[in-house]
Amino acid sequence: KAGVTQTPRYLIKTRGQQVTLSCSPISGHRSVSWYQQTPGQGLQFLFEYFSETQRNKGNFPGRFSGRQFSNSRSEMNVSTLELGDSALYLCASSLVGGAMNTEAFFGQGTRLTVV
Amino acid sequence: AQSVTQLGSHVSVSEGALVLLRCNYSSSVPPYLFWYVQYPNQGLQLLLKYTSAATLVKGINGFEAEFKKSETSFHLTKPSAHMSDAAEYFCAVMHGGTSYGKLTFGQGTILTVHP
Repeated sequence: KAGVTQTPRYLIKTRGQQVTLSCSPISGHRSVSWYQQTPGQGLQFLFEYFSETQRNKGNFPGRFSGRQFSNSRSEMNVSTLELGDSALYLCASSLVGGAMNTEAFFGQGTRLTVV
Repeated sequence: AQSVTQLGSHVSVSEGALVLLRCNYSSSVPPYLFWYVQYPNQGLQLLLKYTSAATLVKGINGFEAEFKKSETSFHLTKPSAHMSDAAEYFCAVMHGGTSYGKLTFGQGTILTVHP
């Protein structure tokens, strides 16, 4: 069974540009969550999608957005990149996104560097 | 609001020694609790989870954790450390209800294992 796949693994962008990151969840999983990991702030929740609907959102500016497709694949977009957006972006998938009977499986992440 | 505190950003043990990584949470109701491990340049792997079924939870690779409501703690232990246990460990909480997909993480503890 394939795991969570994130593409690309590494990305270098210039300030002011925009970027799109992709996440393919485990087959059958309908919930996809995104996290930002930085040395200073640690792991922070960005948002969660289930059946193409955003159900939960973290405390990030509107430059951070996402979407989910009918096959559960998800993308996140960051517009007008800032140096502080440099981070490891992690995607997690789970069956339904709740805590009780499911667990979140993480991808290897996309390392974004903004220069 | 939920929060998670991991006591000690770095823990160093000798191979064969007891591993103890501390985690305390603050929550108005008992949350669901998780321990994840992250190896360099990798995503997060679930070690174990507490979902109110049993207070002593056994996970993978010989790790276990005990939920103590009176102490609001969920410390991770392993009787005998192995070199391959060297990694960063994260404690995380999630509520049920509408906290879909949202894990709140502690700041992480880097475990070093000396020969």
